Amino acid sequence: DARVTQTPRHKVTEMGQEVTMRCQPILGHNTVFWYRQTMMQGLELLAYFRNRAPLDDSGMPKDRFSAEMPDATLATLKIQPSEPRDSAVYFCASGLGRERTDTQYFGPGTRLTVL
Amino acid sequence: GQNIDQPTEMTATEGAIVQINCTYQTSGFNGLFWYQQHAGEAPTFLSYNVLDGLEEKGRFSSFLSRSKGYSYLLLKELQMKDSASYLCAVRRTDMRFGAGTRLTVKP
Repeated sequence: DARVTQTPRHKVTEMGQEVTMRCQPILGHNTVFWYRQTMMQGLELLAYFRNRAPLDDSGMPKDRFSAEMPDATLATLKIQPSEPRDSAVYFCASGLGRERTDTQYFGPGTRLTVL
Repeated sequence: GQNIDQPTEMTATEGAIVQINCTYQTSGFNGLFWYQQHAGEAPTFLSYNVLDGLEEKGRFSSFLSRSKGYSYLLLKELQMKDSASYLCAVRRTDMRFGAGTRLTVKP
């Protein structure tokens, strides 16, 4: 049963601390997306990768956020320093880019609370 | 720029039919997706349209008119478990989501 995994599932931290979220895409998928979801803004695209190369990170605050794919099985989203306004659920999704539907499969999310 | 609009909330009765509309304005278009999201869970894929017309999949159908920038999701024979948020998303080279429509199914 292939699925996207994300760790941690929950994270509570204090303002100013570094936060690292990890995502393991479905094996064989070549696109990875990072989203942030809040009640106010809904689901926002932060960054996405194709074949490990970043294609678009225009939705991401560059001064504090960074996204990387060290290898095909791991994507990371880092916030440094974190702020209370970063509190949200962060979803990772992966897809097999050449599929007709290009369906994205979402991970369970990381619920981040910055105090 | 890109605007994706859908109603915030809808209510329907178990066993009935409901249509959730989505309008969009976008430069570039590579398909429209509908996702279902239950409270506290991740979005799950429902349907995809890239050509005009109706795509049917069981109780769910999705329609697209590219010239009108319009899509709808049709849910038939509503069940209580269909209570969820329904997200319309437009793909260009990236993917942009609407704010979602929260559907409540009542007995």
